[in-house]
Amino acid sequence: LAKTTQPVSMDSYEGQEVNITCSHNNIATNDYITWYQQFPSQGPRFIIQGYKTKVTNEVASLFIPADRKSSTLSLPRVSLSDTAVYYCLVGGIYNQGGKLIFGQGTELSVKP
Amino acid sequence: GAVVSQHPSRVICKSGTSVKIECRSLDFQATTMFWYRQFPKQSLMLMATSNEGSKATYEQGVEKDKFLINHASLTLSTLTVTSAHPEDSSFYICSANWRNEQFFGPGTRLTVL
Repeated sequence: LAKTTQPVSMDSYEGQEVNITCSHNNIATNDYITWYQQFPSQGPRFIIQGYKTKVTNEVASLFIPADRKSSTLSLPRVSLSDTAVYYCLVGGIYNQGGKLIFGQGTELSVKP
Repeated sequence: GAVVSQHPSRVICKSGTSVKIECRSLDFQATTMFWYRQFPKQSLMLMATSNEGSKATYEQGVEKDKFLINHASLTLSTLTVTSAHPEDSSFYICSANWRNEQFFGPGTRLTVL
């Protein structure tokens, strides 16, 4: 399974746009890129998933360059409630039965 | 979206006892479920893949005789921590796939005294 590398932590202020980049040099052809958010003592929550180019939903955007060796999660105008750990995962239901291996994640701290 | 539940949300037990944690897919069927363990300030660690109707597949270093997994139906997988010890105290999370997306349960906090 492809290994991912993310910054350990990031700080931001309310109202700013936050971009978290993830490296996944060994991504396989049929791998999807998925980002999860986790609050303390809760299970991870799905944020966004993509395969290539750009994906946008109501909470975030995901940018994936043509070589797919990295991806960037963009959170527009963050608030205090966005303080959480964000995980970038690479895999898919068609790859090893959907098994996902979590990396260290990025601890985002949003300050007032 | 799909919902995965876990029961109990918190459990405290004495050292040497066994504890069972349930993971249910509420509105979809899951032939495969996953069990993770998370220690404080650390990432989720995949323990095993639970397969409906067959034996679970354990990750390297995870003792299959200590962490018993049963996936008897398409909506229920159970993890039993046998002869629990304080070092087994952790946050246990399950997940299941639905439409190429993995949904996670809310987690179970196990404390072994």
